[in-house]
Amino acid sequence: DAGVIQSPRHEVTEMGQEVTLRCKPISGHDYLFWYRQTMMRGLELLIYFNNNVPIDDSGMPEDRFSAKMPNASFSTLKIQPSEPRDSAVYFCASKWGGQGVTGELFFGEGSRLTVL
Amino acid sequence: ELKVEQNPLFLSMQEGKNYTIYCNYSTTSDRLYWYRQDPGKSLESLFVLLSNGAVKQEGRLMASLDTKARLSTLHITAAVHDLSATYFCAGNSGGGADGLTFGKGTHLIIQP
Repeated sequence: DAGVIQSPRHEVTEMGQEVTLRCKPISGHDYLFWYRQTMMRGLELLIYFNNNVPIDDSGMPEDRFSAKMPNASFSTLKIQPSEPRDSAVYFCASKWGGQGVTGELFFGEGSRLTVL
Repeated sequence: ELKVEQNPLFLSMQEGKNYTIYCNYSTTSDRLYWYRQDPGKSLESLFVLLSNGAVKQEGRLMASLDTKARLSTLHITAAVHDLSATYFCAGNSGGGADGLTFGKGTHLIIQP
C-alpha cells in the first residue's frame, strides 16, 4: 500500500512568495496532521484534521499559514507570504482513529522548504 | 500541556556496547511512541507502548514504559553501525487531543 505522499520534496523560493505544500494521506485514514521540523524547535504540530475538518490549529505560527483539506485524500498547507524563518521540513502524517488502534502516526517523506 | 524530554540529545558510542535513551514526560500520557529518523528521511514508527509495564523488543532495541514514573526507555544492546539515527519519543496527552508531542530527539552515532 502507498504511504503518505507529499509534494514537492524540495522547494526553494524567495521571501514574499506563496508556497503550497501538498499531502495525500494513507487511504482509509481519518486523521491528517501537519508538523514542522527545525533544528531549534524540533517537531511541532501545526494543525490537524479529523474527517476533513480542522480540529486544532493552535500550532499554526501566524496568519500567513493556512491549511485546507477539501476531501479525504488531499490536504494543502499554504504560506503566504513566505519568510526566511519559515525554512524547515514540513511533514504530513495520517492515522486511523478507530477503536482499538494504536494511534501511531504514519509520516510522509517531508517537504524541505528553503526561503531565501 | 504535555512536555516530553529526552536524554541524552547526542550520543556517540562504539559498536558492541549497550546504552539506554531516556524519555520523561510531564503529565499523564495514554501511550508512548518511539520513532526512528535517518538523515533527510521520514519518521519510522518503532514501538507503541500502550500500558504501564509494557515492554517491546525488536532486534537489538527494547522499549519499556513506566507510567508511574512517567518514564520510557529505549535500550540498545550490542550496538551496530546500522542503528545510527535520531530516535524520538512521543506522547499523547489524551483528553481528546489526537496529535503526538515529540521530544527533541536523540542523535545516535555508532562508530565501528
